[in-house]
Amino acid sequence: LAKTTQPISMDSYEGQEVNITCSHNNIATNDYITWYQQFPSQGPRFIIQGYKTKVTNEVASLFIPADRKSSTLSLPRVSLSDTAVYYCLVGDGNYGQNFVFGPGTRLSVLP
Amino acid sequence: DTGVSQDPRHKITKRGQNVTFRCDPISEHNRLYWYRQTLGQGPEFLTYFQNEAQLEKSRLLSDRFSAERPKGSFSTLEIQRTEQGDSAMYLCASTKGLAGSSYNEQFFGPGTRLTVL
Repeated sequence: LAKTTQPISMDSYEGQEVNITCSHNNIATNDYITWYQQFPSQGPRFIIQGYKTKVTNEVASLFIPADRKSSTLSLPRVSLSDTAVYYCLVGDGNYGQNFVFGPGTRLSVLP
Repeated sequence: DTGVSQDPRHKITKRGQNVTFRCDPISEHNRLYWYRQTLGQGPEFLTYFQNEAQLEKSRLLSDRFSAERPKGSFSTLEIQRTEQGDSAMYLCASTKGLAGSSYNEQFFGPGTRLTVL
């Protein structure tokens, strides 16, 4: 069971780039790295997923080094509406119990 | 709105009563998941279905919890003899992933908040 470790909280200011790093030392060969965002009183929302190197979509980038023991979610030019909890997960999609949401990183974007 | 709906949105019940929640996934999604989330924690996996088959249940799931997905469409989660520790947000998610990592992209509903008095 690959566990992940991420900072409990982070603060940023509007317009800045935010990087949230996640450690997953025991990631398995078939595991992918997935990030979710959750606002209060809502279900989590999928942001991005990757296996190695770099993945970019319209909202974020995901950087994964060659050893895959960590990953960094990058949010460009954050706004107040990006204030949320961000979860890093690893898993191959085939087992629900192995797809574990930890406590996440609470990002606060300040004006 | 992700297209996944849950009913009711809120439920208040007394200890010892039974409650049932409903989840309607996105129509073409073959997998449906149930999670429980308490304050300050991430969602905790409970169980999931592939079409109508329940493929996995959490090892920590009490036998007071049961879930069904008849005909592979909507799903229900029932909690019998509720306890105060059952108070939580119950989340449903669905995915149409074809295999492996594609199942990691799940679409979550708004949740049902249960309060057990």
